Amino acid sequence: SYVLTQPPSVSVAPGQTARITCGGDNIGSKSVHWYQQKPGQAPVRVIYDDSDRPSGIPERFSGSNSGDTATLIINRVEAGDEADYSCQVWDTSSNHPVFGGGTKLTVL
Amino acid sequence: QEQLVQSGAEVKKPGASVKVSCKASGYNFNGYYIHWVRQAPGQGFEWMGRIAPHNGGTNYAQKFQGRVTMTRDTSIITAYMELSRLRSDDTAVYYCARGGLIEGRFNGMDVWGPGTTVTVSS
Repeated sequence: SYVLTQPPSVSVAPGQTARITCGGDNIGSKSVHWYQQKPGQAPVRVIYDDSDRPSGIPERFSGSNSGDTATLIINRVEAGDEADYSCQVWDTSSNHPVFGGGTKLTVL
Repeated sequence: QEQLVQSGAEVKKPGASVKVSCKASGYNFNGYYIHWVRQAPGQGFEWMGRIAPHNGGTNYAQKFQGRVTMTRDTSIITAYMELSRLRSDDTAVYYCARGGLIEGRFNGMDVWGPGTTVTVSS
């Protein structure tokens, strides 16, 4: 099964840029989706198809995907962005979606 | 607005079964897959399977084959996930989520239910 690797934690000061990575074998050939989950809440899709932003998601959220690494980028980080972020792709070999282990974003 | 509403928390004994419901509203229920995803305490997300509401077709993760059954009742626009032979490590929050047009490609899970906590304990 396809494996996605995320760092367990990322810390950033308010107003700075947070970059959360998602590693996978030739992940650049796949479409990557990102989810934000705040404590006690259901996940929310914040980026789909590598870099598309659903309606209602601030423009501060963006994504990139190339080679073996996809990245979620959050500009001008706010306290309210503190959450767990998980990446996801569709694994064609097993024909089902797989998730990364998640990254806890801490706003200092 | 598009919404998924799930049934309430459950407490089960090891060896029992649990059935969680997921009622859709605000969109064409038959047009999108419903996925089931679980999250054990402090852990990441684990995909369990999906159902195509228009014909009831299912795909299950290999890990849950033989223990999970996903069904739907289109008359009440509700999907169900039943997990049998429960163990303590099945304790988790179980989510239903809308993911992908039946006639399209997967672009993530864009609508999620609030989650149903299932606790397995003797």
